[in-house]
Amino acid sequence: DTAVSQTPKYLVTQMGNDKSIKCEQNLGHDTMYWYKQDSKKFLKIMFSYNNKELIINETVPNRFSPKSPDKAHLNLHINSLELGDSAVYFCASSQAAAGVDTQYFGPGTRLTVL
Amino acid sequence: DQQVKQNSPSLSVQEGRISILNCDYTNSMFDYFLWYKKYPAEGPTFLISISSIKDKNEDGRFTVFLNKSAKHLSLHIVPSQPGDSAVYFCAARGSNYKLTFGKGTLLTVNP
Repeated sequence: DTAVSQTPKYLVTQMGNDKSIKCEQNLGHDTMYWYKQDSKKFLKIMFSYNNKELIINETVPNRFSPKSPDKAHLNLHINSLELGDSAVYFCASSQAAAGVDTQYFGPGTRLTVL
Repeated sequence: DQQVKQNSPSLSVQEGRISILNCDYTNSMFDYFLWYKKYPAEGPTFLISISSIKDKNEDGRFTVFLNKSAKHLSLHIVPSQPGDSAVYFCAARGSNYKLTFGKGTLLTVNP
């Protein structure tokens, strides 16, 4: 039973395309996140949703749009993909209301833009 | 502007010895610190954490020390095992539960 799952695991696409990455958690957590790990290996937060509401929105191009249909899902849609979007994207979840921010991460989606 | 720094990109130790991974931070508003471990092709997994009101937290072979005045924390693993070989990320919590991660340190434990 995977706690935080992401699909697809690998995504190779051409510049200019639109793509989506899906994330689901079965931990009953109320907060979900998207992180980007770039070529320099920094893991940086992009978005955070708490109970389907956006609470963190870092300086991310508006080509990136998160969508949370329910507490257990947080999808990431990327329009007009660019070379610089190539990275590993991690989804995570936590029970932030509990006050202890132990975030549980998915396995990552490696996006390659050609 | 790196608010969380792990200045050693890699560390190599012998099995059975102590591994010490270091982390420095600049933001005095961070209230919680965490260590994550990451194997290749997997997501980071939570290892151990410490609140800013404490200076030590221990869990089995893992101990985290926090020196608030120096804005420094360290993770001690003793005894180190080959299965501990992974990338270790230090993270600090700020407002809105936002975690800021360091760049990671690759630990290699040699048999």
